[in-house]
This record gives sequence, structure tokens and C-alpha cells, in this order.
Amino acid sequence: NAGVMQNPRHLVRRRGQEARLRCSPMKGHSHVYWYRQLPEEGLKFMVYLQKENIIDESGMPKERFSAEFPKEGPSILRIQQVVRGDSAAYFCASSPWTRAISGELFFGEGSRLTVL
Amino acid sequence: EDKVVQSPLSLVVHEGDTVTLNCSYEVTNFRSLLWYKQEKKAPTFLFMLTSSGIEKKSGRLSSILDKKELFSILNITATQTGDSAVYLCAVEPSGTYKYIFGTGTRLKVLA
Repeated sequence: NAGVMQNPRHLVRRRGQEARLRCSPMKGHSHVYWYRQLPEEGLKFMVYLQKENIIDESGMPKERFSAEFPKEGPSILRIQQVVRGDSAAYFCASSPWTRAISGELFFGEGSRLTVL
Repeated sequence: EDKVVQSPLSLVVHEGDTVTLNCSYEVTNFRSLLWYKQEKKAPTFLFMLTSSGIEKKSGRLSSILDKKELFSILNITATQTGDSAVYLCAVEPSGTYKYIFGTGTRLKVLA
């Protein structure tokens, strides 16, 4: 049973370009979360999605950032017109838990974005 | 504002030592607290705590929660170099799934 798969593991972009980060949750998991980790900081919640639905995007910047989790295929975190401050590690996590049951998140290995 | 504070920020010990990592929190309607170990890749789950005073144990690691004083501790006994990592504490406010992470404690165990 493969874990949470993220790609690319490393991505380098120049200012103004677009970055697309992909996440395939664990088999059987229908909940996906994106977190951002800046150097020497904790993981910051960005967005929580279920299939075809954004449940909570309160942690995501209002501009340039978007996320989707289509019926088929991986979840995508898209950052348009990247700036140097977007350089960070972006972690995806998945869970099988419904809101009624509390449980751990299963993390991918992260995508490290560097903006030149 | 909900927040999670971990201490110490970093710690250097020798193999065989016992360490205690702290996590204090302020959240609205607490639901659960989780501990993760992060080496240079994916955070891996250690414990989930929901009730006060009940110790969770896994090998040399153990953890306990105090919901009255709003903190948790993670103990590691007989530390090994493989315990070197960043230990993250996260709290889930009720019904949100927006786990709030602390900045972590960086533990280095010297041989």
C-alpha cells in the first residue's frame, strides 16, 4: 500500500512563473490537506479538500494560490506568478477519517519549491 | 488566536540520556493532540492523545496529556542517535481538521 505520493520532490522556478505541485493520497483516503513549511517554522495549514470539493481554504493566500482535488487524478496545488517568498516545502497529507472521527494525518515527503 | 508552543526549540543530548519535550496549547474547543517525528522527509505519526492523564507508550517513547493545564509531554528514554529529528506537536480544534502545528523541537543525540 503506497503512501502519500508527492511530485515533484524539488522544483525550481523563476519569479513570475507558475508552480504546480501534485499529491496522490493513500489508497482509500478521500481527504487531502496541504501544508506549507518555511525554514525553521512549523507546518502551516493551507487548504483541506475532499474529492471535487474545497472544504476549508482559510489558510491559503487569496491571490495566486489555488487547489483542486478532481474526481480522477491527484490533488494539485497551483501557485501562479511565484515570488521569492513562496519558496518553502509544501507537504500534502491524507486521511480516511470523517469529521466524526479524529485521527492522524499521513504525510507525503513534501515538494520543495525554490523561487529564483 | 489558536496556537501551539513547543519547548525547548532545540536540544543536544548523549546516547542513553532521557529527554522530555513540551507542548503547550491554546485552542478553541480542543479535540486531539498529535505528536510527529520529522526527519529529513515526511513527518511520521507517533501518538494521538484525547484524554487527560492516560499515558500512551511505544517502546522507549511515551506521551501524556493534561487538558486542565493545556499541555502535553513527550518522553524518550535511553535515547539513540536514530532519535535525532524534529519532533512536532499538533492540536486539532474540534471539528475543523485544521491541525495547528508548533514549530517543533530539534533533538540531536550524540554517540
